[in-house]
Amino acid sequence: EAGVAQSPRYKIIEKRQSVAFWCNPISGHATLYWYQQILGQGPKLLIQFQNNGVVDDSQLPKDRFSAERLKGVDSTLKIQPAKLEDSAVYLCASSVQGYEQYFGPGTRLTVT
Amino acid sequence: SQKIEQNSEALNIQEGKTATLTCNYTNYSPAYLQWYRQDPGRGPVFLLLIRENEKEKRKERLKVTFDTTLKQSLFHITASQPADSATYLCALEDTDKLIFGTGTRLQVFP
Repeated sequence: EAGVAQSPRYKIIEKRQSVAFWCNPISGHATLYWYQQILGQGPKLLIQFQNNGVVDDSQLPKDRFSAERLKGVDSTLKIQPAKLEDSAVYLCASSVQGYEQYFGPGTRLTVT
Repeated sequence: SQKIEQNSEALNIQEGKTATLTCNYTNYSPAYLQWYRQDPGRGPVFLLLIRENEKEKRKERLKVTFDTTLKQSLFHITASQPADSATYLCALEDTDKLIFGTGTRLQVFP
């Protein structure tokens, strides 16, 4: 089966600009996650969707980050405006029943 | 909140030996714990899940133990190979979401 797809793979922007990431989960996976992974750290959950509803967004900086999951399938994560500390890899993952998660390759964001 | 500790120093071992990685947590015992492998430039890959009522779980050359008294999980790779070189992440369940440790980098040399 096809894995989790993410695009773009790399993005370089200047601070205060906006950026959007796209994720297509594995077909049939109801749960979708967005993680932020800063170099040298483990992934940190930003937001979790169950179908097209938000289950947990307690660690999402809502003043600048937003996410949506269209029709319970694809998802986009947006940052506006970006800060230097947003430089990280943004990982999308999906799962069937919330146990083992399948990750995409990630988008490496550099904010200059 | 839950704190997870994994050895931040890299673990270097010789091919054929058993690698043992440690994951310690500080607060309540999670309902389950997972281990993932992450290669440079890639997303984590699921390896094993162990529940709080299980002491040990095996999969091929991998073995995971879960000691709720010690608040610790050990991850073993037997007969290690250079291809096992990667970062290994421990993840704990916390109110239906995963909290990841910082990972331990394993280097297996010939």
